[in-house]
Amino acid sequence: AQSVTQLGSHVSVSEGALVLLRCNYSSSVPPYLFWYVQYPNQGLQLLLKYTSAATLVKGINGFEAEFKKSETSFHLTKPSAHMSDAAEYFCAVSRMDSSYKLIFGSGTRLLVRP
Amino acid sequence: DAGVTQSPTHLIKTRGQHVTLRCSPISGHKSVSWYQQVLGQGPQFIFQYYEKEERGRGNFPDRFSARQFPNYSSELNVNALLLGDSALYLCASSFLNGVGQDYEQYFGPGTRLTVT
Repeated sequence: AQSVTQLGSHVSVSEGALVLLRCNYSSSVPPYLFWYVQYPNQGLQLLLKYTSAATLVKGINGFEAEFKKSETSFHLTKPSAHMSDAAEYFCAVSRMDSSYKLIFGSGTRLLVRP
Repeated sequence: DAGVTQSPTHLIKTRGQHVTLRCSPISGHKSVSWYQQVLGQGPQFIFQYYEKEERGRGNFPDRFSARQFPNYSSELNVNALLLGDSALYLCASSFLNGVGQDYEQYFGPGTRLTVT
């Protein structure tokens, strides 16, 4: 079975500081991995995805994530936080043979302090 | 292009009632998925439909059903509503590649269902 663990339900950073949101996955087969962002009262927006190509994935809004098979991790980073980055972030995993079924983590709320 | 649209935006129902939620996918997308997001949790997969056929089902009771229409829009039906069905219901559409894989799911804004 697949699962996703997001360490830290809340992360607080100062504006301009590095953002690091942690995601570890469990999968018996090569996974597809995703990061989504959710702003209040809105749906999910795809930030970036890993689908077995380059292990360092660049997404929108300056975010990137690195797939590390040995650590079963897919942490999300951004060099410099903006106030507009404050939102809920979800890591998700799916399998190649059932790519339609996304398994989500419980989310990390990012707070950005001025 | 318009994104995924869902209706209604908000809905309040009483326990035991039935509800129908609607979703229109992005133009050209033939696959629609439904997810339930309970407050404070990540979304949970309910169904996916492709070309009007159920392609996958999550761990939800038979009170939950769905269908997809020839224009690829979809309905999610929930019977005998329980308080625990209160959640944000998200619809996502995707375009399958040549080998039947859908890498990206595009989500709508959701329908907020409150069961009292």
